[in-house]
Amino acid sequence: KAGVTQTPRYLIKTRGQQVTLSCSPISGHRSVSWYQQTPGQGLQFLFEYFSETQRNKGNFPGRFSGRQFSNSRSEMNVSTLELGDSALYLCASSLLAGAAGELFFGEGSRLTVL
Amino acid sequence: DQQVKQNSPSLSVQEGRISILNCDYTNSMFDYFLWYKKYPAEGPTFLISISSIKDKNEDGRFTVFLNKSAKHLSLHIVPSQPGDSAVYFCAATLTQGGSEKLVFGKGTKLTVNP
Repeated sequence: KAGVTQTPRYLIKTRGQQVTLSCSPISGHRSVSWYQQTPGQGLQFLFEYFSETQRNKGNFPGRFSGRQFSNSRSEMNVSTLELGDSALYLCASSLLAGAAGELFFGEGSRLTVL
Repeated sequence: DQQVKQNSPSLSVQEGRISILNCDYTNSMFDYFLWYKKYPAEGPTFLISISSIKDKNEDGRFTVFLNKSAKHLSLHIVPSQPGDSAVYFCAATLTQGGSEKLVFGKGTKLTVNP
């Protein structure tokens, strides 16, 4: 079965712009989580959605937001981009809500902010 | 505050020898631990996990040991193969207020030399 699909894979933005990233989970998975990966900080949790509801949120400013649609696809948005937002953004889906379920990650969207 | 710590950013071993990746945690409430492996340009993939009520879990060449009193877990790979070269992330789950959070370490880059 198809894995987790993230689009776009690569993008370049300038400071002050906003960006929207998309994630299609594995078919049947209703939980979608987002992570930010940077060289110095590893994987940091952004938020988790399950059945269109945000279940958990990490310690990121309000410029980072997300949503989940009825088909479980999810989007995350970052507004007023800063240089420090340059990172690999990973989406993961799982069958179960919360972290107990094994996560299946997409390949990520690499964002560069100039 | 890094609750899951991987103090070695990199590790290099010879093919056929044992690789030992270490992880320390600070929160005694973590109830489940996982290891993920990440190749360049790919998302992390689940490798092995262990419940906090166990002290060892084995899957083929991979064994995870948990020492709760020391708040320490380790991943052993025996024998190591060049294809094991990747970044390994230790992760732990925390159940709070009815929801679960997954906390990752910063990762250890393993290089297995032929």
